[in-house]
Amino acid sequence: DTAVSQTPKYLVTQMGNDKSIKCEQNLGHDTMYWYKQDSKKFLKIMFSYNNKELIINETVPNRFSPKSPDKAHLNLHINSLELGDSAVYFCASSPGRRGNSPLHFGNGTRLTVT
Amino acid sequence: DAKTTQPNSMESNEEEPVHLPCNHSTISGTDYIHWYRQLPSQGPEYVIHGLTSNVNNRMASLAIAVDRKSSTLILHRATLRDAAVYYCIRTNAGGTSYGKLTFGQGTILTVHP
Repeated sequence: DTAVSQTPKYLVTQMGNDKSIKCEQNLGHDTMYWYKQDSKKFLKIMFSYNNKELIINETVPNRFSPKSPDKAHLNLHINSLELGDSAVYFCASSPGRRGNSPLHFGNGTRLTVT
Repeated sequence: DAKTTQPNSMESNEEEPVHLPCNHSTISGTDYIHWYRQLPSQGPEYVIHGLTSNVNNRMASLAIAVDRKSSTLILHRATLRDAAVYYCIRTNAGGTSYGKLTFGQGTILTVHP
């Protein structure tokens, strides 16, 4: 039974398009995140939500808009896709906001912008 | 900057213990030490974390130096499935950390049959 699931697993699209990535967690966690892993394999946090409230926004372009309809879901919508948005996007969740709460990650969505 | 330093790569043989070192010389008193690993084509996976005392769980052990400036992740018997990139991460115990993990380049562990 998948704890943090993302769809789609692969997403190939053209520049200028708008796309969404969905994330759901069945762990009952209050906090959810989006991380981005670039071509050099560095992972960086993009957003953090706690009980549907935006907590962290790490200077991500406005083209990226997270939406949390409930605390089990955190979707990522990207407008006007650019070549540089190609990356693997990981959703994660944790039981709390404190620094000792382990994160549970999904298996990622590989976005390719052509 | 929550910086840690790890070797770029390490190798091990199957069923042998593996000791993965991490330096965090500027760690503060409230920082936890977390270890995650990332298998190929998968998301990062939580391994273990600790504050001051050594910690054990079903996956690994974490040995933390007395001065907390370094730590070692111990895999007691490496298997082929343990081949992954291992990340040592400092996290603030409270404040506004909100799960903000600062991933470095990690250590690529290769396990030989």
